[in-house]
Amino acid sequence: ETGVTQSPTHLIKTRGQQVTLRCSSQSGHNTVSWYQQALGQGPQFIFQYYREEENGRGNFPPRFSGLQFPNYSSELNVNALELDDSALYLCASSRGTDYGYTFGSGTRLTVV
Amino acid sequence: AQSVTQLDSHVSVSEGTPVLLRCNYSSSYSPSLFWYVQHPNKGLQLLLKYTSAATLVKGINGFEAEFKKSETSFHLTKPSAHMSDAAEYFCVVSDKYDMRFGAGTRLTVKP
Repeated sequence: ETGVTQSPTHLIKTRGQQVTLRCSSQSGHNTVSWYQQALGQGPQFIFQYYREEENGRGNFPPRFSGLQFPNYSSELNVNALELDDSALYLCASSRGTDYGYTFGSGTRLTVV
Repeated sequence: AQSVTQLDSHVSVSEGTPVLLRCNYSSSYSPSLFWYVQHPNKGLQLLLKYTSAATLVKGINGFEAEFKKSETSFHLTKPSAHMSDAAEYFCVVSDKYDMRFGAGTRLTVKP
């Protein structure tokens, strides 16, 4: 079975710009979550999508938004980028919380 | 609200000696608990999970963890460390959509 794939792997953006990160979930997984991992810290929950609906959100501002598509792939959009948005962004998919999540390798975003 | 505390930010062991990574959790109900490992420049890999079945959980690569409700702990152990175990380890507590990660424990394995 294929795992979770994220694109791009690395990205450099300028403060104030907008960025879209993409995630293809593992086959059979209908739930996708996004996390932000700053350097030297644990991942922080951004939000979760289940069957194309957002069903949970962490403590992130509205400029962080997302989508889930009918094939359960997902996008994370960040508007008005700030320097503190520089981090590793991880996508994880699951077929249910009790099963745990499969993580992608992440997208390293650098805002300059 | 749920949270997790990893009691050691860094653990150093010699190859062949036991590993103990400590984790305490806080949750208002019966939680799901996980341990994930992250190797440098890699994504997170699930080591093991507890979901209210057996309290002693066996995972991959010889790791296991014991759920102790009275102590609100979920410590990760391995009888004999291998050089390839050097990585960052995260304890995670989860409800239906929100996985809360600990700050991580960096495991160093000396030859």
